[in-house]
Amino acid sequence: NAGVMQNPRHLVRRRGQEARLRCSPMKGHSHVYWYRQLPEEGLKFMVYLQKENIIDESGMPKERFSAEFPKEGPSILRIQQVVRGDSAAYFCASSPPDRGVEEQFFGPGTRLTVL
Amino acid sequence: LAKTTQPISMDSYEGQEVNITCSHNNIATNDYITWYQQFPSQGPRFIIQGYKTKVTNEVASLFIPADRKSSTLSLPRVSLSDTAVYYCLVGPGFQKLVFGTGTRLLVSP
Repeated sequence: NAGVMQNPRHLVRRRGQEARLRCSPMKGHSHVYWYRQLPEEGLKFMVYLQKENIIDESGMPKERFSAEFPKEGPSILRIQQVVRGDSAAYFCASSPPDRGVEEQFFGPGTRLTVL
Repeated sequence: LAKTTQPISMDSYEGQEVNITCSHNNIATNDYITWYQQFPSQGPRFIIQGYKTKVTNEVASLFIPADRKSSTLSLPRVSLSDTAVYYCLVGPGFQKLVFGTGTRLLVSP
């Protein structure tokens, strides 16, 4: 059973470009979470999605950031008009559909560098 | 969500037992205590989770006193590969996880 997959692993963008980060959850998992980690800091929650629904986006910046988890295909975190402050590691996690206490399984992350 | 406080860093030697304590004075009745481990350039990995008393798995033990205002992660006989950042999280266990800055454990030969 493959783990959570993220691609690309490394992404370089110039200021003003768009960044698209992909996350394929573990097989059978229908809950996806995105986190951002700045250097030397802990992970910060961004958004929680289920298939075709955004459940909690309280950690998402109000502008330029969006996320989706379509019925088919991976979850996408999209950052428009990137700025240097967006440089960070972006982690995706997934969990199974059963409600209750459970662990989240994290992917290897995408390291975004904005030049 | 309850705020957690844990040491910024700890040093140990191979073969020793390491205990990392986390304070969470405002833990709620429905909150669980969860520990994650993160190696450089990797995503966090679940270690252990508990609600009260003691929980043990093949990797670690988690001790939680009756008042649940703190918890201690115990790593028996650490090795160099246990060098990592360890995060203590408190919450209902699903939906968003709230990470602090964690404890950087350095294991030396």
